[in-house]
Amino acid sequence: GNSVTQMEGPVTLSEEAFLTINCTYTATGYPSLFWYVQYPGEGLQLLLKATKADDKGSNKGFEATYRKETTSFHLEKGSVQVSDSAVYFCALTPTGNQFYFGTGTSLTVIP
Amino acid sequence: DAGVIQSPRHEVTEMGQEVTLRCKPISGHDYLFWYRQTMMRGLELLIYFNNNVPIDDSGMPEDRFSAKMPNASFSTLKIQPSEPRDSAVYFCASSFFRSSADTQYFGPGTRLTVL
Repeated sequence: GNSVTQMEGPVTLSEEAFLTINCTYTATGYPSLFWYVQYPGEGLQLLLKATKADDKGSNKGFEATYRKETTSFHLEKGSVQVSDSAVYFCALTPTGNQFYFGTGTSLTVIP
Repeated sequence: DAGVIQSPRHEVTEMGQEVTLRCKPISGHDYLFWYRQTMMRGLELLIYFNNNVPIDDSGMPEDRFSAKMPNASFSTLKIQPSEPRDSAVYFCASSFFRSSADTQYFGPGTRLTVL
């Protein structure tokens, strides 16, 4: 079956710290992988995506690399800001018409 | 484009009342999804439509929930009768399917509180 497992939160970091949020997946075939971000009181927004093995998605200083050998898509950012405080969701789709989301990881960045 | 539009943004009702949530997808999108988000269960897919036709409603929790999409620009999610355990944030999302690289676009959500 298809599923996504991401690290439990909440995560609290100081401004300018390095961020890693782990995500591993189980899927049939060759899925596309996504990171979504949800700011307080808002819906989910696409942060970045990767569609095949070894692809790197990047946006707003965030990066994630599609690792087929470890079935992982870990989210990283070299220097977080207070404005990055949000909930981050890892997701996959094997076909493009149905998505499977992780449980979300809450990030709080303190000044 | 205005993005996915949901109404109302907040709904407070009493147990036993009927609740109707509304969604307008992005123009031209052919898939529409309804999700429910709670602290306990995270983000759950309830149902999705393709070209206005329900494709998979296996996530609908029980018969009290129903969803319709009478045309390409409008969908409703109805709960009748509502119960306190239905309290959650309900999201609508839409997408235009061309490949597995396509993304879903989410609305701002409706926060439902059933007293």
